[in-house]
Amino acid sequence: SAVISQKPSRDICQRGTSLTIQCQVDSQVTMMFWYRQQPGQSLTLIATANQGSEATYESGFVIDKFPISRPNLTFSTLTVSNMSPEDSSIYLCSVIRGNTEAFFGQGTRLTVV
Amino acid sequence: GQQVMQIPQYQHVQEGEDFTTYCNSSTTLSNIQWYKQRPGGHPVFLIQLVKSGEVKKQKRLTFQFGEAKKNSSLHITATQTTDVGTYFCAGPGGGNQFYFGTGTSLTVIP
Repeated sequence: SAVISQKPSRDICQRGTSLTIQCQVDSQVTMMFWYRQQPGQSLTLIATANQGSEATYESGFVIDKFPISRPNLTFSTLTVSNMSPEDSSIYLCSVIRGNTEAFFGQGTRLTVV
Repeated sequence: GQQVMQIPQYQHVQEGEDFTTYCNSSTTLSNIQWYKQRPGGHPVFLIQLVKSGEVKKQKRLTFQFGEAKKNSSLHITATQTTDVGTYFCAGPGGGNQFYFGTGTSLTVIP
């Protein structure tokens, strides 16, 4: 199994501001994944974060809006920039172990007012 | 990313009834995974299916992978209130990531 510590667990932010979400994994992993889950919806992959290179973004997500850092093999951050109410969602980081199982952080519940 | 659809979107069952959710992919999958997300929680891995036509069981849960490896199902026998949650299938992308299905939310009425 993998232990992923994600913080903050929740936040209420003013529109136009930015929030940085952190994920710390208990061991080294090559790739970390960031998902968004809007209320009552499925998980949508935002980007894949690789250590030492720029993140790979999925269609519909851009680096200016969701900058990602991956300074080492156990840590990553996702920033939600210039927030609007449409960004209200749960954001989850994830890693894969053994090419099989995805483990998730506890999630960050973001409300933009 | 690939399209992975699940039906039904919602299902309400009486405790003790059976439940099935179906997952359909627009492309052939090398494998498929199933996750359960309890209300307020994060997704938790249930199982992975790899082989065409594969069937796996976990107590009251039966998972099937279609012969063409484009669809899958999860069947729960005699549901219990602890089965409440949203069940997602997930298929792999080209770079180790997973794309999640639309999910089926299960409510079990005591």
